[in-house]
Amino acid sequence: QQQVKQSPQSLIVQKGGISIINCAYENTAFDYFPWYQQFPGKGPALLIAIRPDVSEKKEGRFTISFNKSAKQFSLHIMDSQPGDSATYFCAASRAAGNKLTFGGGTRVLVKP
Amino acid sequence: NAGVTQTPKFQVLKTGQSMTLQCAQDMNHNSMYWYRQDPGMGLRLIYYSASEGTTDKGEVPNGYNVSRLNKREFSLRLESAAPSQTSVYFCASRLVAGGPNEQFFGPGTRLTVL
Repeated sequence: QQQVKQSPQSLIVQKGGISIINCAYENTAFDYFPWYQQFPGKGPALLIAIRPDVSEKKEGRFTISFNKSAKQFSLHIMDSQPGDSATYFCAASRAAGNKLTFGGGTRVLVKP
Repeated sequence: NAGVTQTPKFQVLKTGQSMTLQCAQDMNHNSMYWYRQDPGMGLRLIYYSASEGTTDKGEVPNGYNVSRLNKREFSLRLESAAPSQTSVYFCASRLVAGGPNEQFFGPGTRLTVL
């Protein structure tokens, strides 16, 4: 049973466009929601994370939007660049817990 | 600081063979993790070690064993490899002091079981 569902599986966006990736979770005990970025042949690396006490968090061109009532959160990549081409994973956990539950991943391709 | 290192980078096994994947971290982190990554499945937790001397099962532990050798090292053993264990394996570590901390991942081991 996948507790974190991520969509789409892949997306193609033109340079300068907006990439949007959505995730939905089931476990209401989750209170820490990170996004990881993975380049081919590398391990995932933390991109940005949010706690449910805020509805939005922005770091540079990357923004997380969080909807606690709908149990959904999303990653927006503004002004997408070819260097943003990577696989993105959402995840969720209890802040005090040890285990992250990952979504299935989204492969993003930014065309020049 | 090397961060999280994994050996080997690539491995091909025949069904029934055994092998151990090695992981080490030099960040003085308390928790360590083993994941497998398969297309469309994201990363699934195999085993984790919350602290030196403890290990616990994750989501997909069957067919694997682990050893937390010391604070730095956490190994994953396949006793009798099966084709279903063909995957990319990632080790990660986490500090665990005072709230949610990011997990730092190694570069991965690509394993093929024939």
